[in-house]
Amino acid sequence: GAGVSQSPRYKVTKRGQDVTLRCDPISSHATLYWYQQALGQGPEFLTYFNYEAQPDKSGLPSDRFSAERPEGSISTLTIQRTEQRDSAMYRCASLTTGGGSKGNTIYFGEGSWLTVV
Amino acid sequence: KNEVEQSPQNLTAQEGEFITINCSYSVGISALHWLQQHPGGGIVSLFMLSSGKKKHGRLIATINIQEKHSSLHITASHPRDSAVYICAVGDGNQFYFGTGTSLTVIP
Repeated sequence: GAGVSQSPRYKVTKRGQDVTLRCDPISSHATLYWYQQALGQGPEFLTYFNYEAQPDKSGLPSDRFSAERPEGSISTLTIQRTEQRDSAMYRCASLTTGGGSKGNTIYFGEGSWLTVV
Repeated sequence: KNEVEQSPQNLTAQEGEFITINCSYSVGISALHWLQQHPGGGIVSLFMLSSGKKKHGRLIATINIQEKHSSLHITASHPRDSAVYICAVGDGNQFYFGTGTSLTVIP
């Protein structure tokens, strides 16, 4: 696609429910990042993929959070047994090759706003 | 621990003023991005730097690798420049983000 697409844009869920967020990156982009952004803060790293490999998931706050990218394109972020503190914007971003490579631009999706009530 | 520090956090300027936003980082760098976050939440990449200086219109970005410091300058600022500007530093694996500088340009 022309840009990074995320869905849903807004999600309100009850505490304890599971939520899955989706990211559809730019088709040629190998590297995909997931970030969590609280109001008034910069994005905080959660995890990233190079194609289907997930070299770093150190930013995932707990084992309730998991991410997949089984075919190296679309990725999902799943939060199990949601808690109110999970309320935030979840952003996806992609790059053409390995993170930070010269000449590449990072593209962000519009984000998915999650509210846990 | 903040790998990326930005200053100032908030900035109000009169239209036409020259603006500077600073970014200092502590991680080993492969690339640094300056990002603009619009009031609606969308983020766009303004510059990617690994050395030297880049210019695009009224925006200029510089980086000093030895001092681990980058600056974003806006010349002849305009109200439409009002946004949050975020510095992001990539170490080859992930990006670390500053908390952003909220810029308001008053007509």
